[in-house]
Amino acid sequence: DAGVIQSPRHEVTEMGQEVTLRCKPISGHDYLFWYRQTMMRGLELLIYFNNNVPIDDSGMPEDRFSAKMPNASFSTLKIQPSEPRDSAVYFCASREGSGSQETQYFGPGTRLLVL
Amino acid sequence: AQKITQTQPGMFVQEKEAVTLDCTYDTSDPSYGLFWYKQPSSGEMIFLIYQGSYDQQNATEGRYSLNFQKARKSANLVISASQLGDSAMYFCAMRDIGGGADGLTFGKGTHLIIQP
Repeated sequence: DAGVIQSPRHEVTEMGQEVTLRCKPISGHDYLFWYRQTMMRGLELLIYFNNNVPIDDSGMPEDRFSAKMPNASFSTLKIQPSEPRDSAVYFCASREGSGSQETQYFGPGTRLLVL
Repeated sequence: AQKITQTQPGMFVQEKEAVTLDCTYDTSDPSYGLFWYKQPSSGEMIFLIYQGSYDQQNATEGRYSLNFQKARKSANLVISASQLGDSAMYFCAMRDIGGGADGLTFGKGTHLIIQP
């Protein structure tokens, strides 16, 4: 099994530019999560999808952030325009089912630096 | 609201010793799941162990075990016979099942360093 795949692994951009992060969940997983990790705030849930439908986006910090899941094997997180405070590691995770012990498996993360 | 507290920002342990990483949680939901993840310096998040709120026995996975004390709302991770490769950040996380939450709430983490 390939695991959760994220791209790019590293992204350096300038303030004001659009950034698109990509995620391919584990095949057969029907839940997909986006998290952000910073030193100040730790790991935070941004948004998650079930069967490609956004369920809870209350963690999305601002309207500059948007996420889509056009099909079961692909999701994007977009920041437009980007700001230096968006610098963080962004993780995608997926899970099969909604049972209590179903585990979320994380991708390797995208390390974003906004200058 | 859910809350996870990890009170040990950092720990130094001698190789081959057992390690206990503390985690306390707060929730009003009787149905919840508790998870531990390891994050080595390379950055990935690795799932270690799971404990359900209704599980009667403490979870074990190889050298990892979870000391679950429900009345005290604690879910400490125990690593037996520590190894140099155990050096990493360790995160405790929970999910409220009954409330319909699907995302995980994480603690701030404990940085564990195993010394030779």
